[in-house]
Amino acid sequence: DAGVIQSPRHEVTEMGQEVTLRCKPISGHNSLFWYRQTMMRGLELLIYFNNNVPIDDSGMPEDRFSAKMPNASFSTLKIQPSEPRDSAVYFCASSLTGYTDTQYFGPGTRLTVL
Amino acid sequence: AQSVTQLGSHVSVSEGALVLLRCNYSSSVPPYLFWYVQYPNQGLQLLLKYTSAATLVKGINGFEAEFKKSETSFHLTKPSAHMSDAAEYFCAVMSNSGGSNYKLTFGKGTLLTVNP
Repeated sequence: DAGVIQSPRHEVTEMGQEVTLRCKPISGHNSLFWYRQTMMRGLELLIYFNNNVPIDDSGMPEDRFSAKMPNASFSTLKIQPSEPRDSAVYFCASSLTGYTDTQYFGPGTRLTVL
Repeated sequence: AQSVTQLGSHVSVSEGALVLLRCNYSSSVPPYLFWYVQYPNQGLQLLLKYTSAATLVKGINGFEAEFKKSETSFHLTKPSAHMSDAAEYFCAVMSNSGGSNYKLTFGKGTLLTVNP
């Protein structure tokens, strides 16, 4: 299995631009998680999908952030407009059936907003 | 709310020495506990997890952790460090606060360096 795939691996953009991060979970996993990692705040859960439905989005920082999962093999995290404080590493993870199962992480997308 | 405290943001050991990374959690209900490792420029990889079976949990790469309810601790150990163990280690607790949703809460991480 290829594991969780994220693209791009690195993204540099200017403040105000739209950013879209992409994730392909492990085939057969029905839960998907987006995390953000920063030096100041560590790893934070942004949103959790189960069977393509958002279950917990309490970690999404503000309306500039949105996430979708149109099908079981693809999810996007969008930031519009982006701000310098959004600079972080964004991880996608998937698990077989939900929170209590082991989460498998992708390699992350390092986002820099200038 | 659940929290995880990792004592020591940076631990340095010599190759062959004991590795001890500390983790304390706060949870009012029996938790699931995890240790993840993150190598540079990579995602997190599960080392081991505790799910209320044996209190001593063995993981990959020779690591193990012991769940001590009385101390609310889940420290990670390895008898003999190897250069390849140099990485950042994250302790995490999964529990719910009474609702139907569980949440995985991570500690701030401990960077382990191994000196030759």
